Amino acid sequence: AQKITQTQPGMFVQEKEAVTLDCTYDTSDQSYGLFWYKQPSSGEMIFLIYQGSYDEQNATEGRYSLNFQKARKSANLVISASQLGDSAMYFCATAPSNDYKLSFGAGTTVTVRA
Amino acid sequence: GAVVSQHPSWVICKSGTSVKIECRSLDFQATTMFWYRQFPKQSLMLMATSNEGSKATYEQGVEKDKFLINHASLTLSTLTVTSAHPEDSSFYICSARDIEGGEYIYEQYFGPGTRLTVT
Repeated sequence: AQKITQTQPGMFVQEKEAVTLDCTYDTSDQSYGLFWYKQPSSGEMIFLIYQGSYDEQNATEGRYSLNFQKARKSANLVISASQLGDSAMYFCATAPSNDYKLSFGAGTTVTVRA
Repeated sequence: GAVVSQHPSWVICKSGTSVKIECRSLDFQATTMFWYRQFPKQSLMLMATSNEGSKATYEQGVEKDKFLINHASLTLSTLTVTSAHPEDSSFYICSARDIEGGEYIYEQYFGPGTRLTVT
């Protein structure tokens, strides 16, 4: 079983600044994937970034980067140059290689201020 | 590409009635679909895994007789909430895995969700 911990229930960030969202995970699987999703108030889940457990390079997707520290079981999301449209709930998730079931963290609400 | 739709997007039903939610993969085939439930300001909780042509696998604590799942084709899975009660009011989201795989081995595509209100 996997457990995802997001310790920041809510964060405020100034427009154009960077923000780091914390995520730690607990899994006994050797091979797994780590994901970050964005959920705006409309409810849809928007895929942001993916990191494989065997990937040595940290994943990056545009303004999103994932700070993967495998030994610490940490997968923090960094959003650079925040925009007002980044205001949303952000979920960290993991899935093992054998069944692809996603386990989500509690989420972090990000509010970007102008 | 990789679009998943859900219908309806929102529904209000009376207590004791049943309601069906559809999840469709529009431009790909999905052997596996997942159903999640989300209460306001909370996380997504996996309810069940829907496999085409076989019985769904339910997560611990989810009543399979209350939440009926049917995966009749490679593009359609349905969730029926039977004898709905106000405590079943929630946001239900489905996701689907492409039979061809995706850019990432674990990739899932999410539907827009269905908001169910039971009065």
